[in-house]
Amino acid sequence: DGGITQSPKYLFRKEGQNVTLSCEQNLNHDAMYWYRQDPGQGLRLIYYSQIVNDFQKGDIAEGYSVSREKKESFPLTVTSAQKNPTAFYLCASRSGPSNNQPQHFGDGTRLSIL
Amino acid sequence: QQQVKQSPQSLIVQKGGISIINCAYENTAFDYFPWYQQFPGKGPALLIAIRPDVSEKKEGRFTISFNKSAKQFSLHIMDSQPGDSATYFCAATFPQGGSEKLVFGKGTKLTVNP
Repeated sequence: DGGITQSPKYLFRKEGQNVTLSCEQNLNHDAMYWYRQDPGQGLRLIYYSQIVNDFQKGDIAEGYSVSREKKESFPLTVTSAQKNPTAFYLCASRSGPSNNQPQHFGDGTRLSIL
Repeated sequence: QQQVKQSPQSLIVQKGGISIINCAYENTAFDYFPWYQQFPGKGPALLIAIRPDVSEKKEGRFTISFNKSAKQFSLHIMDSQPGDSATYFCAATFPQGGSEKLVFGKGTKLTVNP
């Protein structure tokens, strides 16, 4: 099945530790996105990438880093600089630069602090 | 203003009733308005979407009404079913830096009682 796979489903971070969330897509989509979702909030954009080896900061990029070495993969690292990392993290992808193409989402990773 | 304001925050409807969720925006650069449905522990899934040159779009029991002059749009769920119980997000996209940015409302938690 074509889709977006996020792993792990649950992740726990110790103080001062960096953790990496995986996002893989087999939809052959060019653009990929990372969002953070907090209870009672909409989704907020962390980083996005339109093509391989290129990515841009979103609205809340501080304390996060990404890479885009392959078209199908867009991992997100939550660094120790992110002081409030507990949230539900969602990865999305979208085909090409055409207007009005919807973003498709994975099933998320829930990150908690130990 | 790159915001989409969504109301109500929560909604309880009886089975067979009509669920109505409203959204409003200020930015006239928004050019695509998708609605997403999210079940607990899952990522948002595209439900239905509309362009601003269309006043209404219907897909099965789901209808988007769009009022461009008032900068408002709404989702109507006819004959609401318990399986429709989920969180619904309105969203809007606008072009930015060669890509499209997706802005979300804060969500409406819908409960359909049997």
